[in-house]
Amino acid sequence: AQRVTQPEKLLSVFKGAPVELKCNYSYSGSPELFWYVQYSRQRLQLLLRHISRESIKGFTADLNKGETSFHLKKPFAQEEDSAMYYCALYSYDKVIFGPGTSLSVIP
Amino acid sequence: NAGVMQNPRHLVRRRGQEARLRCSPMKGHSHVYWYRQLPEEGLKFMVYLQKENIIDESGMPKERFSAEFPKEGPSILRIQQVVRGDSAAYFCASSPERLAGYNEQFFGPGTRLTVL
Repeated sequence: AQRVTQPEKLLSVFKGAPVELKCNYSYSGSPELFWYVQYSRQRLQLLLRHISRESIKGFTADLNKGETSFHLKKPFAQEEDSAMYYCALYSYDKVIFGPGTSLSVIP
Repeated sequence: NAGVMQNPRHLVRRRGQEARLRCSPMKGHSHVYWYRQLPEEGLKFMVYLQKENIIDESGMPKERFSAEFPKEGPSILRIQQVVRGDSAAYFCASSPERLAGYNEQFFGPGTRLTVL
């Protein structure tokens, strides 16, 4: 079965500390994985996709097929990073979202 | 380009009434997706439509829910005889072509449905 899990519902870190938001997936084919972010009172938007191997706002995510993970990382958290983060998997014309992790960066 | 529009933003219905949610995709987008977010849960895929066609409705409840995307006008998600469990945020997204790793879908602000 196709599934995306994010084990942490809430994550709090201090400003300047490293942050890692965990994402694991279960998918039989070659996965296409994404991270979406929703800032307070804004709509959901794409943060980054694994296929482009990009770094957006200092965030990176590496696809680890052996561990079936796509963790989102940033070396130094900023207050403006506080938001809801969703890991997502594209599967045959639909997107399967994880339950989300609420990141709170403490000043 | 105004982005994906959804209306109403908030909708209150009594049990047994009908709820009709509208989604206007971004200009030039012919692919529309509906998601539901129940309280304390993540987004769940409901249905994927192209103009006049339902491509995948595997996430739609079998009864009371229907969706359409006519040739002209917005996509409509209709919930008949609403129950309290239908209370949720309903999000619409659109994309210019079929989803793949190299493109993305753009989300609307959502409609928050409350069933009294």
